[in-house]
Amino acid sequence: EPEVTQTPSHQVTQMGQEVILRCVPISNHLYFYWYRQILGQKVEFLVSFYNNEISEKSEIFDDQFSVERPDGSNFTLKIRSTKLEDSAMYFCASSVYYEQYFGPGTRLTVT
Amino acid sequence: KNEVEQSPQNLTAQEGEFITINCSYSVGISALHWLQQHPGGGIVSLFMLSSGKKKHGRLIATINIQEKHSSLHITASHPRDSAVYICAVPLSNTGNQFYFGTGTSLTVIP
Repeated sequence: EPEVTQTPSHQVTQMGQEVILRCVPISNHLYFYWYRQILGQKVEFLVSFYNNEISEKSEIFDDQFSVERPDGSNFTLKIRSTKLEDSAMYFCASSVYYEQYFGPGTRLTVT
Repeated sequence: KNEVEQSPQNLTAQEGEFITINCSYSVGISALHWLQQHPGGGIVSLFMLSSGKKKHGRLIATINIQEKHSSLHITASHPRDSAVYICAVPLSNTGNQFYFGTGTSLTVIP
């Protein structure tokens, strides 16, 4: 069964460094999403992406964040200058329309 | 103000029990997701429903759009059902941006 994959599974970085989280969505899906979950808190929407552009973004998704679909398969989330509070689990998801399929997540730890 | 409220927050059940998790929401929606988050953190989509009832194995999800309420039922619960169950509703008609509930942590004891 097709699935969303994410790499790396765990990323440790120092405050101020740039990180790129990678996702490979399901191949025939059209909508792509990033979510984050700070430890012990609920999942929060970051951004959705369709037709090679951002379709919606939350207040969390500020200028430090960017997304890109650099080729036909990858979907990336870049955090330009990480802060301690960026430590969280980051989930990618994709969908044909409404029903979203989630990746296993990348645990980002900022020290 | 929480747009999505789940109850209970924590639930412990004996193996074999029938389990109900509730979700109430305050925004108008076109569809609602039930998600399962495993202890390792991964999220699996269980159901997306916009009306009536859906069944998948031992899982049943119902929704009442007028009352803005959905329930997830697990019949003949098993320890492997232990997980956090999350209700999520879209913010807008495009369905892209979701409000997530805080989740219900279920532990099924053998």
